[in-house]
Amino acid sequence: QVQLQQWGAGLLKPSETLSLTCAVYGGSFSGYYWSWIRQPPGKGLEWIGEINHGGSTNYNPSLKSRVTISVDTSKNQFSLKLSSVTAADTAVYYCARGGVGAQVSYYYFYMDVWGKGTTVTVSS
Amino acid sequence: SSELTQDPAVSVALGQTVRITCQGDSLRSYYAGWYQQKPGQAPVLVIYGENNRPSGIPDRFSGSSSGNTASLTITGAQAEDEADYYCNSRDSSGNHLNVVFGGGTKLTVL
Repeated sequence: QVQLQQWGAGLLKPSETLSLTCAVYGGSFSGYYWSWIRQPPGKGLEWIGEINHGGSTNYNPSLKSRVTISVDTSKNQFSLKLSSVTAADTAVYYCARGGVGAQVSYYYFYMDVWGKGTTVTVSS
Repeated sequence: SSELTQDPAVSVALGQTVRITCQGDSLRSYYAGWYQQKPGQAPVLVIYGENNRPSGIPDRFSGSSSGNTASLTITGAQAEDEADYYCNSRDSSGNHLNVVFGGGTKLTVL
């Protein structure tokens, strides 16, 4: 059974860089998209970006200028860096495994395995 | 990029059927994924594709899609189904691939 274990600093000051890592245990790293998602307190889910096994990335346009997602296939890990954080970046950050497929005449995308979440607070 | 729209809140009587909807242009090309999130927990995938349930998800959860609208139906809602529900999909309308989430629907089981 695939599990995601994530870690990183939970308290940051404004202007610092958020850094989180997610390790994949018990399953293949290739063939999937590995995403970061965040959820501000009391709000909904926001996709930050994703990376695949080959290192190809896609980012949320609203965060793209501050986000870097990287992968270390030798360790089955992927990482998130978010620069110049402000209080608006305070959220629970999740890593997740994403898959794609096709059925009938549609495509589909899903996130079937999630990390437990890391609470990140930005405060001076 | 595209957006997904959900009703903020829905309620259902215990044992009755409820439908939660999600609208957006990306749903004309992609089936929605549906996620259940309970307080303090990570989201859990409940429906993906045309109408597929991951292992362990009760068969009272089902999905459907028509045009730009996806629906999650819970037939015979249970108290443990009270949660926030989110839809998501790929969005390929711009120059790059994105993933979009709906704003979430809070389901109350009365």
